[in-house]
Amino acid sequence: DQQVKQNSPSLSVQEGRISILNCDYTNSMFDYFLWYKKYPAEGPTFLISISSIKDKNEDGRFTVFLNKSAKHLSLHIVPSQPGDSAVYFCAARTSGNTPLVFGKGTRLSVIA
Amino acid sequence: EAEVAQSPRYKITEKSQAVAFWCDPISGHATLYWYRQILGQGPELLVQFQDESVVDDSQLPKDRFSAERLKGVDSTLKIQPAELGDSAMYLCASSLNGAGANVLTFGAGSRLTVL
Repeated sequence: DQQVKQNSPSLSVQEGRISILNCDYTNSMFDYFLWYKKYPAEGPTFLISISSIKDKNEDGRFTVFLNKSAKHLSLHIVPSQPGDSAVYFCAARTSGNTPLVFGKGTRLSVIA
Repeated sequence: EAEVAQSPRYKITEKSQAVAFWCDPISGHATLYWYRQILGQGPELLVQFQDESVVDDSQLPKDRFSAERLKGVDSTLKIQPAELGDSAMYLCASSLNGAGANVLTFGAGSRLTVL
C-alpha cells in the first residue's frame, strides 16, 4: 500500500512556462514533506520542504503548496528551465527520527 | 560542500555471487540510511542506523542482505547470494539529529546489475 503517490509518471512543459508536479498521501501522521530532484546516474538532491503547520513554502523559482485536508501537495516551478528536466520525488515522514517515504517519481521534461 | 561518499559506483555480478557496498556519511551525521531504488520506482528503505545501532531493518531481506555500521561512522551493505531481482540502485543517505533530521543527504548511489 503506497503511502505517497505520484500519479503522473511524466510531464512535459515548454521552457518559461509553469511546471506543476502533484503528490498525494494517505498517512495522516505525516508532518513533514520534501521534494527531491534526481538526474540519471546521480543520487536524489534535496529541493524544498514544507512542514505540516504551513500551507506554502517558496524558494526562488520553486514553491510547494500543502493542502492537509485533501492530503495533497504540489510543487510549482516557474519559470521552467531546460536544466529542470529530471525526475522529481515527493517524500514524507512522521515526527521523530523516522525515515522518508518516497513516491514513485514524476519525470519532468522542459522543452526549449 | 560536504557529501555522502559511496563505492563502487557500478557493480556487475553474476547471480549467487556476493557483493558489498560501502558508504561514508557526512561527518557528524548520526543517522545513516540505506535505500534501494528499482528503475521506475521511488527509493525504498532497507535499513536505518542511529550511530552504530539498527533503528529499522524491517524491510531488509535478512536471508541474503546484511548491513553494519560498526563504529557508528561508515557502513557496509552486503548481499549474499545476489539474485536477478537485486538489480537496482543502492542509495546511502545521512542526516543530522534534531532540527536537521528532516533533510536526508544522499550519495551518488551504487548501481548493481546481476546477470
